[in-house]
Amino acid sequence: SAVISQKPSRDICQRGTSLTIQCQVDSQVTMMFWYRQQPGQSLTLIATANQGSEATYESGFVIDKFPISRPNLTFSTLTVSNMSPEDSSIYLCSVVQGAAYEQYFGPGTRLTVT
Amino acid sequence: DAKTTQPPSMDCAEGRAANLPCNHSTISGNEYVYWYRQIHSQGPQYIIHGLKNNETNEMASLIITEDRKSSTLILPHATLRDTAVYYCIVRPYAGNNRKLIWGLGTSLAVNP
Repeated sequence: SAVISQKPSRDICQRGTSLTIQCQVDSQVTMMFWYRQQPGQSLTLIATANQGSEATYESGFVIDKFPISRPNLTFSTLTVSNMSPEDSSIYLCSVVQGAAYEQYFGPGTRLTVT
Repeated sequence: DAKTTQPPSMDCAEGRAANLPCNHSTISGNEYVYWYRQIHSQGPQYIIHGLKNNETNEMASLIITEDRKSSTLILPHATLRDTAVYYCIVRPYAGNNRKLIWGLGTSLAVNP
């Protein structure tokens, strides 16, 4: 199974600033996903990041707020821009791998916006 | 919206079997049932998946009813480390629509 790391593991940020979250995978993968999990809630897909093309955003999420980069098949970044307290969440990177299209997740980045 | 219904919480005694139910009455013919779990403060972890036959791996067993409208995840000998939120998800096995749509899952508490 894929091993995924994320940086930072947690951060406390001030309103109006931006934070870039890094996701590193130990093998090449075609599709990477970014999720948000707000306190006490389930996971919500933000966007799908494909290497060599622009990310595909889900309804309610826009590129200006959550720009994504995917420079190669093992790395991606998600930026949370112009943060507000409502952006306080756990942000998770995920990849699909294996014959059964299993989805694997990173440990998450816990973001608190004050 | 999630296509599955799960009880919000369950308890299980350590060492006993934990049976977690899931209803997916609108499942389509090309959709598989996947189970994941999320231990507190960690990313979700893949457990098992199946189409219509019962499946077993080193973590759990999956029992799917003949009409495929419901399934049960079985942890044969639950331990304290199995305390987590368990998610049942249905999605097409292949194709571009591989997004997982997450419900609220079942919060399983394994008690000593």
